[in-house]
Amino acid sequence: NAGVMQNPRHLVRRRGQEARLRCSPMKGHSHVYWYRQLPEEGLKFMVYLQKENIIDESGMPKERFSAEFPKEGPSILRIQQVVRGDSAAYFCASSPQILAEFNTGELFFGEGSRLTVL
Amino acid sequence: SQQGEEDPQALSIQEGENATMNCSYKTSINNLQWYRQNSGRGLVHLILIRSNEREKHSGRLRVTLDTSKKSSSLLITASRAADTASYFCALTGANSKLTFGKGITLSVRP
Repeated sequence: NAGVMQNPRHLVRRRGQEARLRCSPMKGHSHVYWYRQLPEEGLKFMVYLQKENIIDESGMPKERFSAEFPKEGPSILRIQQVVRGDSAAYFCASSPQILAEFNTGELFFGEGSRLTVL
Repeated sequence: SQQGEEDPQALSIQEGENATMNCSYKTSINNLQWYRQNSGRGLVHLILIRSNEREKHSGRLRVTLDTSKKSSSLLITASRAADTASYFCALTGANSKLTFGKGITLSVRP
């Protein structure tokens, strides 16, 4: 049973370009979370999605950032017109059910996508 | 939004010693979790304790929760060099969002 798959693992972009980060949740998981981690810091919540729905995007910057989780295919975190401050590790995590209701309530994390903006 | 605060920020111990890490929070929680992150890797779930539980064990890990003091501790007994990592506490609130603290960097010297 494959874990959460993120790609690319490393991505280099120049200022103004677009970055697309993909996340395939664990099999059977329909809930996806995206987090951002800056060096030497914790994880900052960005967005929580279920299939075809954005549930909570309170951590997403108002501009340039968007996320989707289509009925078929991986979840996508898209950053338009990247700036140097977007350089970070972006982690995706999945769960099979709403955290507050599920038995264990844990998240399963991918290995992250490390974005470097030149 | 609610977020746990871990203490200390960094901890360095000798192999074989016990490591104690603490997490404090401010709002009500459904449960509290601890995760580990090895350098350059994703987070791995270690243990979850529910708001109605006071103590849980898993192998060399022991976690406690004091809801009256709004604090939790993670104890790693008989530490090993492989325990060197960052450790995060995470809170699940009523909105099903899992929020993380800034983490504790644990170094275990061989």
